[in-house]
Amino acid sequence: KNQVEQSPQSLIILEGKNCTLQCNYTVSPFSNLRWYKQDTGRGPVSLTIMTFSENTKSNGRYTATLDADTKQSSLHITASQLSDSASYICVVRYGGSQGNLIFGKGTKLSVKP
Amino acid sequence: NAGVTQTPKFQVLKTGQSMTLQCAQDMNHEYMSWYRQDPGMGLRLIHYSVGAGITDQGEVPNGYNVSRSTTEDFPLRLLSAAPSQTSVYFCASSYNGVNYGYTFGSGTRLTVV
Repeated sequence: KNQVEQSPQSLIILEGKNCTLQCNYTVSPFSNLRWYKQDTGRGPVSLTIMTFSENTKSNGRYTATLDADTKQSSLHITASQLSDSASYICVVRYGGSQGNLIFGKGTKLSVKP
Repeated sequence: NAGVTQTPKFQVLKTGQSMTLQCAQDMNHEYMSWYRQDPGMGLRLIHYSVGAGITDQGEVPNGYNVSRSTTEDFPLRLLSAAPSQTSVYFCASSYNGVNYGYTFGSGTRLTVV
């Protein structure tokens, strides 16, 4: 069964600290992996998209990694800000032209001053 | 650009009522989709469309209908609302749905009593 598992479920960090969120997937055939940020009461916003051949991709203070062999991804947030408080969702696309997305349940990050 | 616009933002229905959730995008995206987001679960695909005149079912299509008469609009119809359809609904669009990011609307929070 295609699944995307994220850990931890929730995380509290102090402003200015770094953190890493984890994503494990069992999706076949794999197409690409995406990270989204979802603020409370808003729709998800795309952070990164990585294909099979990409190991790392950055978007400002966000850096995503992908290990296609172990089917694991991580999202590293550097020098966290209060505005980083949100849910971070790992999403894997499977299949070819008619494939679709499998969403993880998300990690809820709270950044405290 | 407005991006993806969803209306209404909030709606309360009585069991058995019908309604249409509106979704419009101004980015000339071919791919559009509807998701529902329930507490403790990842987003789940209801219906999707790869272009005007073409629609297909997602993971949880029962109780919902869609049509795609234009590239811009992708309305979601609830035929006879049930309490199990209480959820937050997101519309998303993408250039081709394969290797481009998705742009999400801000959501419609629907309560069925």
